[in-house]
Amino acid sequence: GAVVSQHPSRVICKSGTSVKIECRSLDFQATTMFWYRQFPKKSLMLMATSNEGSKATYEQGVEKDKFLINHASLTLSTLTVTSAHPEDSSFYICSARGRGLNQPQHFGDGTRLSIL
Amino acid sequence: AQSVAQPEDQVNVAEGNPLTVKCTYSVSGNPYLFWYVQYPNRGLQFLLKYITGDNLVKGSYGFEAEFNKSQTSFHLKKPSALVSDSALYFCAVRDGGTASKLTFGTGTRLQVTL
Repeated sequence: GAVVSQHPSRVICKSGTSVKIECRSLDFQATTMFWYRQFPKKSLMLMATSNEGSKATYEQGVEKDKFLINHASLTLSTLTVTSAHPEDSSFYICSARGRGLNQPQHFGDGTRLSIL
Repeated sequence: AQSVAQPEDQVNVAEGNPLTVKCTYSVSGNPYLFWYVQYPNRGLQFLLKYITGDNLVKGSYGFEAEFNKSQTSFHLKKPSALVSDSALYFCAVRDGGTASKLTFGTGTRLQVTL
């Protein structure tokens, strides 16, 4: 089946550090990629949607200067959390979808970000 | 606006018994419906989808779901539960006529015991 690889799986860093998370679609072309944030025992909160070669569309309340998203190719998207603070600690999950609206989204295994 | 309701926070079932995880949805256009499963500290795994066609959809790991248009439901079912099925299950919907985003339910934790 379709595979999405997300790296790293866990990051622990000091406050003020910028952290980059990579999301790759390994066996299909991801025309659209999504970044989610999941709080403990909560559902997924969509942060932004990106189409290859275009600027990301951010959801209301998500700071675009804080969470930089790049979708430079059909197989790679990155999320950079800039100047991270403890309140940014969370589980971040990427998702990718191929061409066609009836295609399911496939998810990476998530990145546990802990800011000290 | 589109929405998904998963009325049960948790479902408990004994191994070998049938299981049902409930989901109802609201969408303006044609519903594209999905079920995903999440294991601890992992992303979501796709189980099955309904786009069009037969109302009974079969998916991975022996799961199936029945699309009921009149009741706007898409309940997840399995004839015989396994302990390894214990996980968090998410129902999701998208408006098939547009490029709208996927809307997830709040999730239902399935606990299967021996």
